[in-house]
Amino acid sequence: EPEVTQTPSHQVTQMGQEVILRCVPISNHLYFYWYRQILGQKVEFLVSFYNNEISEKSEIFDDQFSVERPDGSNFTLKIRSTKLEDSAMYFCASIPGQAANYGYTFGSGTRLTVV
Amino acid sequence: GDSVTQMEGPVTLSEEAFLTINCTYTATGYPSLFWYVQYPGEGLQLLLKATKADDKGSNKGFEATYRKETTSFHLEKGSVQVSDSAVYFCALSSYSSASKIIFGSGTRLSIRP
Repeated sequence: EPEVTQTPSHQVTQMGQEVILRCVPISNHLYFYWYRQILGQKVEFLVSFYNNEISEKSEIFDDQFSVERPDGSNFTLKIRSTKLEDSAMYFCASIPGQAANYGYTFGSGTRLTVV
Repeated sequence: GDSVTQMEGPVTLSEEAFLTINCTYTATGYPSLFWYVQYPGEGLQLLLKATKADDKGSNKGFEATYRKETTSFHLEKGSVQVSDSAVYFCALSSYSSASKIIFGSGTRLSIRP
């Protein structure tokens, strides 16, 4: 079964450093998403991406965050200057089209720890 | 806006007990409804879904029925196993939420042998 792949599985970074989280969505999917889950809490929407641009973003997704699809296969989330409160699991997801009945395929996540 | 409310955890049951995790939703229009499961240390897996009223989603012995009249999508299983211990998330997706998935807060389930 096709998978969404995320790397690294765990990243530790110092506060103020930049991090890039990487995702390889399923190859024929067109819509891509990032979600985050602070430990033990709710899964929160960050951003959706379609046709090489952001289609929607949440209040969490401020100027410190950016997304990119640099080469047609990878989908990256960059945090420019990490804060302690950015520590969370970050999940990438993709769906083939913009239909509400698709169940998203999520990657296994990247655990980001900011120290 | 659209939202999902699910029962607070943790829920602790003995093996072979009957499970119900309640979930209700608020949405304009006709959302699709999902249950996701997160096993310890793992990512989010789609457990089951229902895309219209009265549909029943089922997988691995779990079931949930889309009840439009009560705006509910309760998760049930007749006989739980230790391996079902996980966090369960109810979720919805609709055109009014631009097809993004909106999650409930999650319910942690622990099954005692």
